[in-house]
Amino acid sequence: GAVVSQHPSRVICKSGTSVKIECRSLDFQATTMFWYRQFPKKSLMLMATSNEGSKATYEQGVEKDKFLINHASLTLSTLTVTSAHPEDSSFYICSASPAGTGYEQYFGPGTRLTVT
Amino acid sequence: EDQVTQSPEALRLQEGESSSLNCSYTVSGLRGLFWYRQDPGKGPEFLFTLYSAGEEKEKERLKATLTKKESFLHITAPKPEDSATYLCAVLSGSSNTGKLIFGQGTTLQVKP
Repeated sequence: GAVVSQHPSRVICKSGTSVKIECRSLDFQATTMFWYRQFPKKSLMLMATSNEGSKATYEQGVEKDKFLINHASLTLSTLTVTSAHPEDSSFYICSASPAGTGYEQYFGPGTRLTVT
Repeated sequence: EDQVTQSPEALRLQEGESSSLNCSYTVSGLRGLFWYRQDPGKGPEFLFTLYSAGEEKEKERLKATLTKKESFLHITAPKPEDSATYLCAVLSGSSNTGKLIFGQGTTLQVKP
């Protein structure tokens, strides 16, 4: 149980274009989903927290107009990187917290974004 | 300020050589401490949640313990497949969003 998927697993896009990453909780409902960014050999950096049906809460320093987050249902959240630049290249990971549990977060497999 | 520090940064063991990873924390009211395993290029895999001092949990060769200041992840007779980065995270009592504070991780390499 507690499986989270992400799509795509890898994406390459050109500078200036936008790319959407999907995060789905497959066997549970997630009232809260989280988006992280991870640099090589570094720990996870929280970008934003999203709750179903409401606006995402962004961490300090994260541009909300650049990283658009939508949490349309209890099993789906999307992250759209708008007007991507090479410095946006990174490993993006989502997590989901099942409703009614002790705040455990279950992570997706991650999406490797490369902006050329 | 809530903070999590893991040590050592890297650990090399021979197969069968037991050891422990440390996670020290300072947090305003601990609501939970979480251990994850992360393989290169993959998302973290949930291992354990500990809620109160004195609590212990086990899974195969791994055992997690918790005190009021730190947690240990004990690895008994490790195998090469236990090689990974182990992440510790805490949930603070001051958080109303479920935000976890992560340590920097310990990268474990187990040699056959």
